[in-house]
Amino acid sequence: GAGVSQTPSNKVTEKGKYVELRCDPISGHTALYWYRQSLGQGPEFLIYFQGTGAADDSGLPNDRFFAVRPEGSVSTLKIQRTERGDSAVYLCASSVGTGGILNEAFFGQGTRLTVV
Amino acid sequence: EDKVVQSPLSLVVHEGDTVTLNCSYEVTNFRSLLWYKQEKKAPTFLFMLTSSGIEKKSGRLSSILDKKELFSILNITATQTGDSAVYLCAAVNMNRDDKIIFGKGTRLHILP
Repeated sequence: GAGVSQTPSNKVTEKGKYVELRCDPISGHTALYWYRQSLGQGPEFLIYFQGTGAADDSGLPNDRFFAVRPEGSVSTLKIQRTERGDSAVYLCASSVGTGGILNEAFFGQGTRLTVV
Repeated sequence: EDKVVQSPLSLVVHEGDTVTLNCSYEVTNFRSLLWYKQEKKAPTFLFMLTSSGIEKKSGRLSSILDKKELFSILNITATQTGDSAVYLCAAVNMNRDDKIIFGKGTRLHILP
């Protein structure tokens, strides 16, 4: 696609529910990043994929969070047993990846998750 | 641990002023430094810097990298209210397959 697409743009869920956030990166981008951003803060790294594999998942806060990218394109961030503290904007970005000179990341519009 | 530190965290100036935003980094196997502007949701790309001492310029914005002292600055001259945003700096670690690490950002507010 023309840019990074994230769905839904907004999600309100009840505490304890399960949510899935989707990211569709720019076609051909092998690197995909998930970040979480709270109000007034910079993006906080969650997980990074190079192709289908998670190259670094050190930013996932706990085992309620996990992400997949089974075919090396679309990625889904999954949050189980949501808590009010999970409320934030979840940003996805993609880039050309390893060896590319143009490795700036392009961001999607984000998903605003609100846990009530 | 890789880290990127931006200063100041917030800045309020009057329209027409010139501002300088700072970014220092500690990243093993540094590849490049990126600047983004974030107004609402998605950060938008401004500059990518890979070489020391070479200024990148776009209109009233300019940026330069010092790889010896491990920092970069972003300058905005003749600021306008539309420049109000969070400015994010990020460093790319090429040893980690191009992992991108962000700073917390500088929140810039331009008063009319």
